Amino acid sequence: SAVISQKPSRDICQRGTSLTIQCQVDSQVTMMFWYRQQPGQSLTLIATANQGSEATYESGFVIDKFPISRPNLTFSTLTVSNMSPEDSSIYLCSVGEDSYNEQFFGPGTRLTVL
Amino acid sequence: AQTVTQSQPEMSVQEAETVTLSCTYDTSESDYYLFWYKQPPSRQMILVIRQEAYKQQNATENRFSVNFQKAAKSFSLKISDSQLGDAAMYFCAYRAWGIQGAQKLVFGQGTRLTINP
Repeated sequence: SAVISQKPSRDICQRGTSLTIQCQVDSQVTMMFWYRQQPGQSLTLIATANQGSEATYESGFVIDKFPISRPNLTFSTLTVSNMSPEDSSIYLCSVGEDSYNEQFFGPGTRLTVL
Repeated sequence: AQTVTQSQPEMSVQEAETVTLSCTYDTSESDYYLFWYKQPPSRQMILVIRQEAYKQQNATENRFSVNFQKAAKSFSLKISDSQLGDAAMYFCAYRAWGIQGAQKLVFGQGTRLTINP
C-alpha cells in the first residue's frame, strides 16, 4: 500500500494567478496520476507522470495549463496556471504500480478561484 | 475508448437495509479490473471492492458484494445491513489489465448514497 499526502489541502486564489500542488508518497512508485474533480462531478484524469519522462496528458488537458514535474519516485507537482473560476475543483494525486491491485489516492486539494 | 456509466445519481436506504448501486461499462478488452470506490465528505477516495474480469466468482468484502455480469458488462454493488457511515459518493471504475502503463482509472459519474436512520 501507499500513503499519500498533498499540499495545500485547500486554497482560494485570484483569477490569472498560478498554484502549485505537491504530492508526496511514502514509498517509491513508478506511476503517479493527477485527477480533477469538478464540483459535483466525477474524477477525470489530467495526466500520468512517470519519473524520468515527460508527463502524458489526456485529451482536453495541455502542458501549458497544467505543467507537471516528477523529480523522483516519491514526489510530483501539478501547477494550475493562469487560473480562471472554471478551474475551481478538487485535484487528486494517486499512485499505482503494475503489481498493485488498486490505486491509492491522496486527500485532494480543494481549489477555489475567484 | 472505455466508458463507465452509473445511471443512479442518488440513492437512499434505511439503516440496516440492503441497497444495490448499478454500473455498466463498455470495453473491447477481455481482461480488466473493475472497482467500487467510496468518497465521503472528507474527499478521501477509499477502495470498497475490486473484481478481476477473469474471475467468475463475485467479489465480497464483509457487507459489500458485487454482481459481476461480464457478458452484460454490468457491475453492481450491494451493500447489506447499511450503516450511517456508508453515506458517501460511490464511484464505479474500470482499469485495463496487463498493458504496461495502462493503470489509469476510468470513472463513472457517481451515485450519492444517503442512509436514513
